Amino acid sequence: GESVGLHLPTLSVQEGDNSIINCAYSNSASDYFIWYKQESGKGPQFIIDIRSNMDKRQGQRVTVLLNKTVKHLSLQIAATQPGDSAVYFCAEGSMDSSYKLIFGSGTRLLVRP
Amino acid sequence: DVKVTQSSRYLVKRTGEKVFLECVQDMDHENMFWYRQDPGLGLRLIYFSYDVKMKEKGDIPEGYSVSREKKERFSLILESASTNQTSMYLCASSLSGGSPLHFGNGTRLTVT
Repeated sequence: GESVGLHLPTLSVQEGDNSIINCAYSNSASDYFIWYKQESGKGPQFIIDIRSNMDKRQGQRVTVLLNKTVKHLSLQIAATQPGDSAVYFCAEGSMDSSYKLIFGSGTRLLVRP
Repeated sequence: DVKVTQSSRYLVKRTGEKVFLECVQDMDHENMFWYRQDPGLGLRLIYFSYDVKMKEKGDIPEGYSVSREKKERFSLILESASTNQTSMYLCASSLSGGSPLHFGNGTRLTVT
């Protein structure tokens, strides 16, 4: 498969454990945030998004936390599975426009069986 | 589910060739985008379009052009391919501002 990044930070977790992937964003004016998952050889897949009027949002096995004070975003994956192994990256932008999303460089999640 | 389809998974072209990358989305999205993804550089926006026949330059438009004649189709054109355009090209679409981008599976272009 293709690698999307040669020197990405890597998080290694045991199958069944919870994973927490962190992202620091750069623009204090950003009010819309997205998490993507990218498996080898595939395009980024939308996981979950959050607007700045919220500090937490839950999906199926995933939770996104937003701390605007320190410009920090995290993605929590419950009961991590082998199929969760991928590169995860965040994006920040504006509710007014989807044209100028800023993408983070990503974190590689490895799930040990 | 939104489906964004890129016509080729792999392309190999020679320096100087004109290259067309095609992308189609099936969800009547207003916005379409072309990015390239390179190791260590992340996703970089080449061009985007917010309506038929409308286009805007992204961060790295040099050496590229685009065409959007129909709402569902957005084409990326490399007028004269060069080796530094070897990359993974990703097409995406979105409904509006404040909605997520949905990506295709990419076209891996190699220019020799």
